[in-house]
Amino acid sequence: QKEVEQDPGPLSVPEGAIVSLNCTYSNSAFQYFMWYRQYSRKGPELLMYTYSSGNKEDGRFTAQVDKSSKYISLFIRDSQPSDSATYLCAMSLTPPGAAGNKLTFGGGTRVLVKP
Amino acid sequence: EADIYQTPRYLVIGTGKKITLECSQTMGHDKMYWYQQDPGMELHLIHYSYGVNSTEKGDLSSESTVSRIRTEHFPLTLESARPSHTSQYLCASSQTSGRRTPNNEQFFGPGTRLTVL
Repeated sequence: QKEVEQDPGPLSVPEGAIVSLNCTYSNSAFQYFMWYRQYSRKGPELLMYTYSSGNKEDGRFTAQVDKSSKYISLFIRDSQPSDSATYLCAMSLTPPGAAGNKLTFGGGTRVLVKP
Repeated sequence: EADIYQTPRYLVIGTGKKITLECSQTMGHDKMYWYQQDPGMELHLIHYSYGVNSTEKGDLSSESTVSRIRTEHFPLTLESARPSHTSQYLCASSQTSGRRTPNNEQFFGPGTRLTVL
């Protein structure tokens, strides 16, 4: 069983719709949660970072963490064609700046926003 | 924009050849990583380094080797390429911080797509 599960999609939505992405995980010790966006033929880039349970909003993006359910979500409001990419969740036991920090990734969800 | 570079971007090579994938970063980061990513699959950490002359194997077993002679450079070598090595290889770097901060993210390079025939 994978430590982090993520639906591979593709998830196809019309422009302007809300995109809802999620990951489930099995290791309750994960404390730090991240969402990366990866465009085709590019490396991942960090979108959102959250620590422990709660919500975090940044522009059109909202990240939610529910540690009791071991479930994290990313919402994209007013989606644009430029949001079409693969979205990867990642999590770690230690803070990103810690000496021994390592990330565990989900497989990514491919999102397609149609004009 | 992150200053981390990988060459070549694409490589098609025959079985048995020795190859080196290059990764360089100009941010002075102490930590560097190599991940392997197959289509639709998660990134798997295959090697990492906490600084010069430090290299460790990652969570996924790999026949490749790495070296870290200079802070900015973290090449990955396959002595004898096989079709099972066909994959995308992503290099990343980050900076250790003693402070509890979320801003020490891993910056990724664009990746090298390797095909072994």
